Amino acid sequence: NAGVTQTPKFRVLKTGQSMTLLCAQDMNHEYMYWYRQDPGMGLRLIHYSVGEGTTAKGEVPDGYNVSRLKKQNFLLGLESAAPSQTSVYFCASSSSELPYNEQFFGPGTRLTVL
Amino acid sequence: AQTVTQSQPEMSVQEAETVTLSCTYDTSESNYYLFWYKQPPSRQMILVIRQEAYKQQNATENRFSVNFQKAAKSFSLKISDSQLGDTAMYFCAFMKPHTGNQFYFGTGTSLTVIP
Repeated sequence: NAGVTQTPKFRVLKTGQSMTLLCAQDMNHEYMYWYRQDPGMGLRLIHYSVGEGTTAKGEVPDGYNVSRLKKQNFLLGLESAAPSQTSVYFCASSSSELPYNEQFFGPGTRLTVL
Repeated sequence: AQTVTQSQPEMSVQEAETVTLSCTYDTSESNYYLFWYKQPPSRQMILVIRQEAYKQQNATENRFSVNFQKAAKSFSLKISDSQLGDTAMYFCAFMKPHTGNQFYFGTGTSLTVIP
């Protein structure tokens, strides 16, 4: 099992460019999440999904969009990148069943917006 | 939103010694879950230990144990016999069941194990 994978691992964008980050999980998890990690701020939730075709806003959703067309995939989009979106992005997934609710994380994507 | 506070940005410990990392949280919920995650320089987030709030017994996983004080809303992590591989960032996280089982993370404690 690959667990949670993220594509790409690194990316450099210019201000105003767009891009999509892909997250895939092979654990048949219902829930998936996108976080950003900035120095001194821990991980902050951007968007999450509780199932195929559903999405919801997290703590810092502005400037991002997401889609979950297939259960195993969760896409994070930046339509017009800004320097403030320079960060490390993590995808995670978890089962909906309690108490088996730990989140499994991907390796992260380092995004730099110039 | 729930808040999770880790008041120690950096800590160090001698190899083979014991260290305790602090975490407090703020919630009005009675049923919730608490986690400690480790993030080594590789950047991968790794689950260290978890605690269900309805369980009074403190969780243990080999050299890692927690001191869960529900009334004080405190959840500290104790690492015994520290090893060089324990050098990492440690994040405390709170989860309230339902509404997507969202996690709320603290800002982290950077732990360095000194040979």
